[in-house]
Amino acid sequence: QQQVKQSPQSLIVQKGGISIINCAYENTAFDYFPWYQQFPGKGPALLIAIRPDVSEKKEGRFTISFNKSAKQFSLHIMDSQPGDSATYFCAATYHSGAGSYQLTFGKGTKLSVIP
Amino acid sequence: SAVISQKPSRDICQRGTSLTIQCQVDSQVTMMFWYRQQPGQSLTLIATANQGSEATYESGFVIDKFPISRPNLTFSTLTVSNMSPEDSSIYLCSARRHKETYEQYFGPGTRLTVT
Repeated sequence: QQQVKQSPQSLIVQKGGISIINCAYENTAFDYFPWYQQFPGKGPALLIAIRPDVSEKKEGRFTISFNKSAKQFSLHIMDSQPGDSATYFCAATYHSGAGSYQLTFGKGTKLSVIP
Repeated sequence: SAVISQKPSRDICQRGTSLTIQCQVDSQVTMMFWYRQQPGQSLTLIATANQGSEATYESGFVIDKFPISRPNLTFSTLTVSNMSPEDSSIYLCSARRHKETYEQYFGPGTRLTVT
């Protein structure tokens, strides 16, 4: 119930193309879905996040699409650049009267954008 | 956001010894966490560092092996005790400003190699 399943494990995209990474969850209590970007040798950086009251959130070239009924969310990177090559983690958490709970992470997707 | 720094950034240690990792946040935060990340893998929560009380450990992690201190709202340490090669990993400090907030930030990590 606490799992977040992420796919694909790795992704190769041509420069200028669209990168798409998918995540699925089971726990309907989840109400916050962030994506993290991690470059080699660095810590994960919060990239973009969405709450389930909206179906899409866009920040620059990065878009999260959220499908509440299917319990799926995805990250789209438009006009992918070699500098986007990194590992991307989706995550989920929920909030209760006691505060926010721990982040549940997907297993990660290694994105390589080739010139 | 919160800017998090860690020291050391990397270390090579002999088995049987202990290493203390320091985490400093640039502003006061309520929640601090310690994660472990094996190379190429996802993040695993070790414990929540509680200010003024004992840390809360996740299943599979114990205080004797990973003692944690949290003397104030901007600083925490994680000690990896009696190290073995299996402890070779990246250790990440993370923070959330308030218990009720969702946004969570990570430090750059400490890469530990045990020989």
